[in-house]
Amino acid sequence: QQQVKQSPQSLIVQKGGIPIINCAYENTAFDYFPWYQQFPGKGPALLIAIRPDVSEKKEGRFTISFNKSAKQFSLHIMDSQPGDSATYFCAMTGGFKTIFGAGTRLFVKA
Amino acid sequence: NAGVTQTPKFQVLKTGQSMTLQCAQDMNHNSMYWYRQDPGMGLRLIYYSASEGTTDKGEVPNGYNVSRLNKREFSLRLESAAPSQTSVYFCASLDRVVGEKLFFGSGTQLSVL
Repeated sequence: QQQVKQSPQSLIVQKGGIPIINCAYENTAFDYFPWYQQFPGKGPALLIAIRPDVSEKKEGRFTISFNKSAKQFSLHIMDSQPGDSATYFCAMTGGFKTIFGAGTRLFVKA
Repeated sequence: NAGVTQTPKFQVLKTGQSMTLQCAQDMNHNSMYWYRQDPGMGLRLIYYSASEGTTDKGEVPNGYNVSRLNKREFSLRLESAAPSQTSVYFCASLDRVVGEKLFFGSGTQLSVL
């Protein structure tokens, strides 16, 4: 059973669109909420992360929104590009453990 | 810098065979991890080592053992491989200086027939 539930499983958007990926969690012991990006044949790489005392964080075209009371967080990709086509994982980190969501396969059409 | 290096990249085993996956990092990180990735399941934590000399179970430890050989190296052993262990295995190390960033290797694709 996934401790962090991620949706949707897959997503197709047009170039320039704004894909949104959502995650929900139950365990409040975690205090760091990263998103990882993975290209085929590669290991995941950290994209952006947020701590629960902040409601939003932007880095370039990527934005995390965090709703602590609802135990939900989401990733928005502004002006999406074909090069953003990848699998995205939300995660939560507490102590020395990082637990991942099931992943979202994003395809951005040119 | 090589980062996190995993060997082998590909392996095919027969049911019941044993093997060890090797992992080494050159970033002087204290903590190291083994994950498996399966379609629709994301990355699931098998075992981790918070620091040299310690190891702990993750979400799916059954059928696996680990050894933290030194600060650089963390190996994963399958004593008697089963088809359910067919997966892609990733080793990672944790940088706690800049946030809590995991650095991953490029993975080992394992098939158990």
